[in-house]
Amino acid sequence: AQTVTQSQPEMSVQEAETVTLSCTYDTSESDYYLFWYKQPPSRQMILVIRQEAYKQQNATENRFSVNFQKAAKSFSLKISDSQLGDAAMYFCAYRSFYSGGGADGLTFGKGTHLIIQP
Amino acid sequence: NAGVTQTPKFQVLKTGQSMTLQCAQDMNHNSMYWYRQDPGMGLRLIYYSASEGTTDKGEVPNGYNVSRLNKREFSLRLESAAPSQTSVYFCASSERGGLEQFFGPGTRLTVL
Repeated sequence: AQTVTQSQPEMSVQEAETVTLSCTYDTSESDYYLFWYKQPPSRQMILVIRQEAYKQQNATENRFSVNFQKAAKSFSLKISDSQLGDAAMYFCAYRSFYSGGGADGLTFGKGTHLIIQP
Repeated sequence: NAGVTQTPKFQVLKTGQSMTLQCAQDMNHNSMYWYRQDPGMGLRLIYYSASEGTTDKGEVPNGYNVSRLNKREFSLRLESAAPSQTSVYFCASSERGGLEQFFGPGTRLTVL
């Protein structure tokens, strides 16, 4: 079974600064997908960014980018120019490349609470 | 386009009571999921349905049953609620094998 570990329960950053959230995972699979989800106080789960393991290039979505290190099984999220609206819980998640038998389900880490200081 | 909807938003049960959480999606997705989120934890998969009429157990299926009524609806039933089932429950949907799962707003369930 796969596991996802987020070692930072809480992070704080000044508005407009850059912050990096850490995520490591354990898997025996060679192909898989990784995601970062944002959960604001409204509880809604929002997909921030995803990475396909077979792609060497790190994914980027506007102010959000990842540092994907496949050999180290590390998948960190960098948020540039932090904004007050970025304050939320952030969850790292893993999905198997293969479908069926529950394999499509996501395996989540415990989350990192991101605080933005004005 | 409402996306994924869940009812109710909040529910309080007594130990031993039963209830069904409802989920519906209007995106014509084949796959649907039920997750639970406990304090300090990420979401954990309870059950999954790849298509109408099929269901598979996830990581934490004990104490739950599901029904994929049609392509739109996927319900989660607690036959005899226990305090350990106090949690926030999320329904999600995706294209078959799709990379993005779309989540509902969640149901906060408390079992006394």
